[in-house]
Amino acid sequence: KAGVTQTPRYLIKTRGQQVTLSCSPISGHRSVSWYQQTPGQGLQFLFEYFSETQRNKGNFPGRFSGRQFSNSRSEMNVSTLELGDSALYLCASTIIPGTSVLSSYNEQFFGPGTRLTVL
Amino acid sequence: GIQVEQSPPDLILQEGANSTLRCNFSDSVNNLQWFHQNPWGQLINLFYIPSGTKQNGRLSATTVATERYSLLYISSSQTTDSGVYFCAVWSQKLVFGQGTRLTINP
Repeated sequence: KAGVTQTPRYLIKTRGQQVTLSCSPISGHRSVSWYQQTPGQGLQFLFEYFSETQRNKGNFPGRFSGRQFSNSRSEMNVSTLELGDSALYLCASTIIPGTSVLSSYNEQFFGPGTRLTVL
Repeated sequence: GIQVEQSPPDLILQEGANSTLRCNFSDSVNNLQWFHQNPWGQLINLFYIPSGTKQNGRLSATTVATERYSLLYISSSQTTDSGVYFCAVWSQKLVFGQGTRLTINP
């Protein structure tokens, strides 16, 4: 079974531009979450989508947005890029997060990440 | 919100040594995972272990949920074990610790 895929793997943008990142979950997984990793802040939660609905959102400005399609693929968009948006963006997929009945439903699997550099 | 603390922040060992990484969390959880971040940034799943003990080769993990901590054991370390190890707990999202950077010298 193929793992989580993310495109592109590397991206260089300039301040003020916008960017769209893509994540394809493991086949059969219905939830996609996005995380930002920076040296200073560590791994921080951006948002989670399940069945095309945003279920949870982290403490990021409205410039960060996302969506999920009917095939569970997800995109996140960052508008008006700032230097501080330079980071590794990771997405994770799981079958149904938060349930406590079956561990196999909860385990999160991560993609290889997109490394965004804002100049 | 829930807090996750990992110790030690850095660990330098010689090849062949054993190591123990600790993860403390501030509230009860029903989902805890250990990850190894490879040099390219990908988080590799090591264990899904909300409670009890699991073993996978040279790695094992134990979570004592009632006392709110988890331990990751690495035996007979190899240079390929180097990298950052994260624990994360589920609280409507994965909440990560700051990681333990493990360096295994030949």
